[in-house]
Amino acid sequence: QKEVEQNSGPLSVPEGAIASLNCTYSDRGSQSFFWYRQYSGKSPELIMSIYSNGDKEDGRFTAQLNKASQYVSLLIRDSQPSDSATYLCAVNNAGNMLTFGGGTRLMVKP
Amino acid sequence: KAGVTQTPRYLIKTRGQQVTLSCSPISGHRSVSWYQQTPGQGLQFLFEYFSETQRNKGNFPGRFSGRQFSNSRSEMNVSTLELGDSALYLCASSIQGYAYNEQFFGPGTRLTVL
Repeated sequence: QKEVEQNSGPLSVPEGAIASLNCTYSDRGSQSFFWYRQYSGKSPELIMSIYSNGDKEDGRFTAQLNKASQYVSLLIRDSQPSDSATYLCAVNNAGNMLTFGGGTRLMVKP
Repeated sequence: KAGVTQTPRYLIKTRGQQVTLSCSPISGHRSVSWYQQTPGQGLQFLFEYFSETQRNKGNFPGRFSGRQFSNSRSEMNVSTLELGDSALYLCASSIQGYAYNEQFFGPGTRLTVL
């Protein structure tokens, strides 16, 4: 069973702080990694994709991948109340099939 | 560019009935994947279609089926509905359906089975 694990949270951070979201995966053959944001009652929205070891930055978001440790993370700098949502980690390990973690609920307090 | 569209947005059915959901991918995208989202199981992969062929299938019973048309639009069908089929059904499209292709989700169809 290929698994993707996330802390369900909630992760509570003050406005302006850095939010750190983590994800581990079990399949060493996993090829690509994605972070989605899902607001309550809405569908997942793609935030970041990362394919190779290291960091990838896009605006306030930084994705980090460590394949040796089977670990993916998402950093959100200068967190805003509008960032409050559930963040889903997804791993593509076979063709075009995404395996999702259970999601981490982030709460940014003003 | 228009996003992924799904119809209908909401459905209420009774046990034993069948249902068909529709998905139109982003223009130019040829791969369509379907997912089921429930509070208990989270987001789970149902199946993926590319060039009218099912390429991958998740661990769901045969009551769940799908197809893709030549214009890349896709439908999924659930027969003999059960209470546990109540969920948000999400369609995602990607350009070619390779592992490095990003998948973009539609708004979903919320199915309630009574």
